[in-house]
Amino acid sequence: DSGVTQTPKHLITATGQRVTLRCSPRSGDLSVYWYQQSLDQGLQFLIQYYNGEERAKGNILERFSAQQFPDLHSELNLSSLELGDSALYFCASSPRLAGGSGANVLTFGAGSRLTVL
Amino acid sequence: QQPVQSPQAVILREGEDAVINCSSSKALYSVHWYRQKHGEAPVFLMILLKGGEQKGHDKISASFNEKKQQSSLYLTASQLSYSGTYFCGTESYYGNNRLAFGKGNQVVVIP
Repeated sequence: DSGVTQTPKHLITATGQRVTLRCSPRSGDLSVYWYQQSLDQGLQFLIQYYNGEERAKGNILERFSAQQFPDLHSELNLSSLELGDSALYFCASSPRLAGGSGANVLTFGAGSRLTVL
Repeated sequence: QQPVQSPQAVILREGEDAVINCSSSKALYSVHWYRQKHGEAPVFLMILLKGGEQKGHDKISASFNEKKQQSSLYLTASQLSYSGTYFCGTESYYGNNRLAFGKGNQVVVIP
């Protein structure tokens, strides 16, 4: 157990639907990251939050949104789902922002596997 | 901004050595290495900071050439447990705190 909790582990839904993925960071970590992993694309950075604020955005579609709540857990909302959104979605957390001192070493959760039919 | 990893896949026998590489077009502040076993989450191996340092994790070591914006991971006397996909994550000076990952190097160690 890495200390980062993601729910649900598996999710099967239909095109056009909306889902919410949840992440609780490791105790003491203030920064949360979301990554999408497809078969041939590696780990694609979606978005990062630090202590409730959005700090960096990657290749996140407009149909996707996320937020980090006061208790530091985060949710990734995926709407108008398409077949191509099927992927493994990882949440990761780190103690602080990047700084080169090791403060941004990521601890990954087990992932949420989304299948869109 | 995504770093480029090579080779895409490596197959080696137990006890053999291998080198996998990560390069970036951006000036890098640090390089991270993670390993992901099939069906599991990526796990942190090591971080290398600017200054050309080297680090080790068991018999896995890495180097970071800041001037060339490259890092190499050395798998020495490979073990079956080394099998997995290795991802490098790079942090650049203008990367807005994000850690960008490459597509990964798949390593298969066979008996």
